Amino acid sequence: AQSVTQLGSHVSVSEGALVLLRCNYSSSVPPYLFWYVQYPNQGLQLLLKYTTGATLVKGINGFEAEFKKSETSFHLTKPSAHMSDAAEYFCAVSFMDTGRRALTFGSGTRLQVQP
Amino acid sequence: DGGITQSPKYLFRKEGQNVTLSCEQNLNHDAMYWYRQDPGQGLRLIYYSQIVNDFQKGDIAEGYSVSREKKESFPLTVTSAQKNPTAFYLCASTAGGRVYGYTFGSGTRLTVV
Repeated sequence: AQSVTQLGSHVSVSEGALVLLRCNYSSSVPPYLFWYVQYPNQGLQLLLKYTTGATLVKGINGFEAEFKKSETSFHLTKPSAHMSDAAEYFCAVSFMDTGRRALTFGSGTRLQVQP
Repeated sequence: DGGITQSPKYLFRKEGQNVTLSCEQNLNHDAMYWYRQDPGQGLRLIYYSQIVNDFQKGDIAEGYSVSREKKESFPLTVTSAQKNPTAFYLCASTAGGRVYGYTFGSGTRLTVV
């Protein structure tokens, strides 16, 4: 069955530390992959996406993610966390081997940044 | 500025009542979506529409209904058949095709009182 898994519902880092948020998917066909950020009581904002081409993609606010087909992963990273990065992050997948024309979202990871 | 407008931001409903959540976009996007967000469960797809006058059920369509009479509008009705409607509802749109990410509205928080 196709699925999206985000490991860790809560991640806490110190300001200036590396941010790593994990996303794995289950699919026999490489999907399109997205990361979104949500601030409290707001909608979601697209951070970055992978469709084809270079497997390391850069997004807004200094975030980047790498598509690893062999590991079925699309982890989100940022070298140095800022206080303003505190938010909830969602991995989303467009599965290519179904007629479903809608994104499937992971359960989200809440990032806390400690001063 | 182009975007998606959801209204109202907060909505209170008595048990047994139907309520309609509004979603309007001026992005000229073909596809529109409704998701429900509950703590710890991420976003779950309710309904989506690829073109006017056509829509498909998502994963949790029971107790909800939609219409797509205009390209710009995709209202969601939460009926009395939805047993646990208290949630944050998000509307999104995209130009179409799997390669595009979504543009989201700012959401409507529905509370049953």
